[in-house]
Amino acid sequence: GAVVSQHPSRVICKSGTSVKIECRSLDFQATTMFWYRQFPKQSLMLMATSNEGSKATYEQGVEKDKFLINHASLTLSTLTVTSAHPEDSSFYICSAQTRRGGNEQFFGPGTRLTVL
Amino acid sequence: SQKIEQNSEALNIQEGKTATLTCNYTNYSPAYLQWYRQDPGRGPVFLLLIRENEKEKRKERLKVTFDTTLKQSLFHITASQPADSATYLCALGAGGKLIFGQGTELSVKP
Repeated sequence: GAVVSQHPSRVICKSGTSVKIECRSLDFQATTMFWYRQFPKQSLMLMATSNEGSKATYEQGVEKDKFLINHASLTLSTLTVTSAHPEDSSFYICSAQTRRGGNEQFFGPGTRLTVL
Repeated sequence: SQKIEQNSEALNIQEGKTATLTCNYTNYSPAYLQWYRQDPGRGPVFLLLIRENEKEKRKERLKVTFDTTLKQSLFHITASQPADSATYLCALGAGGKLIFGQGTELSVKP
């Protein structure tokens, strides 16, 4: 139980284009989803917290107009990287918390974004 | 400033030995602390959670301790196996969010 999927697993795009990454909780309802990015050999950095039906809360230094987050349902959150640039190349990982609460986060397998 | 530090060097141990990983933090007052395993190119996998009022937690070959006075957590893997080789992340829980350390790479040699 508590499986989170991400799609796509890898994406390569040209500079200036937008990329959408989907995060789904497959067998549970997630009221809260989180988006992280991770550079090689570095820690996971929280980008934003997303609650179903409301606007995402972004961490300091994360541009909300560049990283658009939509949490349309209890099982789906999307992250859109708009006008991507090479410095946006990173590993993006989502996680979800179950409705029944608890502090455990279930992570997706991650999406490797490469911007040329 | 706030910091979370894990063993910066990779840890190499022999199969069957106990691996001990350290997580130290400063200027945080976490309500709980979690340990995750991450394999290359994959998302983290939850292992254990320990709350601020708990001293120790066990799960099979895993043991976590939490000392809020020392501001330190220790993560032990007993009877280690090559399959335990991975990066292990500690994460502090505060304000409904997780703040991650940079991870310690563990390599268990047969």
